[in-house]
Amino acid sequence: DVKVTQSSRYLVKRTGEKVFLECVQDMDHENMFWYRQDPGLGLRLIYFSYDVKMKEKGDIPEGYSVSREKKERFSLILESASTNQTSMYLCASSLRVGRGGNEQYFGPGTRLTVT
Amino acid sequence: SQQGEEDPQALSIQEGENATMNCSYKTSINNLQWYRQNSGRGLVHLILIRSNEREKHSGRLRVTLDTSKKSSSLLITASRAADTASYFCATVGYSTLTFGKGTMLLVSP
Repeated sequence: DVKVTQSSRYLVKRTGEKVFLECVQDMDHENMFWYRQDPGLGLRLIYFSYDVKMKEKGDIPEGYSVSREKKERFSLILESASTNQTSMYLCASSLRVGRGGNEQYFGPGTRLTVT
Repeated sequence: SQQGEEDPQALSIQEGENATMNCSYKTSINNLQWYRQNSGRGLVHLILIRSNEREKHSGRLRVTLDTSKKSSSLLITASRAADTASYFCATVGYSTLTFGKGTMLLVSP
């Protein structure tokens, strides 16, 4: 079974702190994604990566950056956390299109609170 | 973006009843996927239907796709309390998905 793990289930940070959210997948997937989920807004794509050291902006990249130094690991970075970044953060991975489709496998989520 | 919109936003039924959720979208798609999310957890892929398919089954799930109306439906038959969750449709770009806001399904014993 595909396993996507996220470094924390719950995280509380202060405004202005630098925050790292880590995601690891164990199925050799090329694509990895970061979403945030907010009530009434659904899931919104922040960034995605289709290869090591490659990254693409999603729908809401402002205030975030990402890092993908190894194929299995995709990190989301909040350079200076703000209260409006309080949210549930979900990581996902998928095979490259042409290698079997684009069904996404999700981690359990990190609920981040910025105070 | 090709966002799907689910309808209804919330659905409450009794165990054993069928649950139907609908999804409408705006532009052409390669395929459409349905996901389930239990409270406070990650999403789980349920079923994928390609643009040239009209209907697909998986266990108690039946998905239909009408590309002329740009709509899809998810039917859960003989629902169980364990089916209580949020259900999302996702429309597919080349490698990214765009999710709707979901339908919250409550199945009461």
